[in-house]
Amino acid sequence: AQRVTQPEKLLSVFKGAPVELKCNYSYSGSPELFWYVQYSRQRLQLLLRHISRESIKGFTADLNKGETSFHLKKPFAQEEDSAMYYCALTGGSNYKLTFGKGTLLTVNP
Amino acid sequence: DADVTQTPRNRITKTGKRIMLECSQTKGHDRMYWYRQDPGLGLQLIYYSFDVKDINKGEISDGYSVSRQAQAKFSLSLESAIPNQTALYFCATMDYNTGELFFGEGSRLTVL
Repeated sequence: AQRVTQPEKLLSVFKGAPVELKCNYSYSGSPELFWYVQYSRQRLQLLLRHISRESIKGFTADLNKGETSFHLKKPFAQEEDSAMYYCALTGGSNYKLTFGKGTLLTVNP
Repeated sequence: DADVTQTPRNRITKTGKRIMLECSQTKGHDRMYWYRQDPGLGLQLIYYSFDVKDINKGEISDGYSVSRQAQAKFSLSLESAIPNQTALYFCATMDYNTGELFFGEGSRLTVL
């Protein structure tokens, strides 16, 4: 079974502060991990995927297989980063994407 | 612009009624998904389909059924709606090459 855990339902930081949204996963094989974001009144959209090792809007996420984690980080949060963030996992060829429960990030001015 | 479109966007219905939520896509993707979003529970997979003849149950399929009428269309039905099916429903397609999901705007269903 595959499972994704986001331990924080809510996270509030001030503008300019670092932010880290936590994600832990459970999967017996080699997972593919993603972060999706939902801004207010917008569709869910992909933020980044671990396989591409890219930085999007200043966010990065590193897959740590030893700790089974895929935490999302940004060194200096901006107000426009306020959104709901979902960590998601798919395992191998099953193409069934499992989502965590989400973390609502609020960046205060 | 290639897109994922859901209808209706909002629907209020009564307990026991049959409801169909429709999803169409112009992305040309074979894989399509229906998710339910509830506050505090995140996104839960209801059904998914890899092509017209391949339909699979997700985590919470009880009380729901689906129909894949064509590559571009994937409908979700509630045969007899109940209040705890009040939620925001999302359809999505998957790009086979990248694994990225593309979501519709959501259908908000309220069952009274």
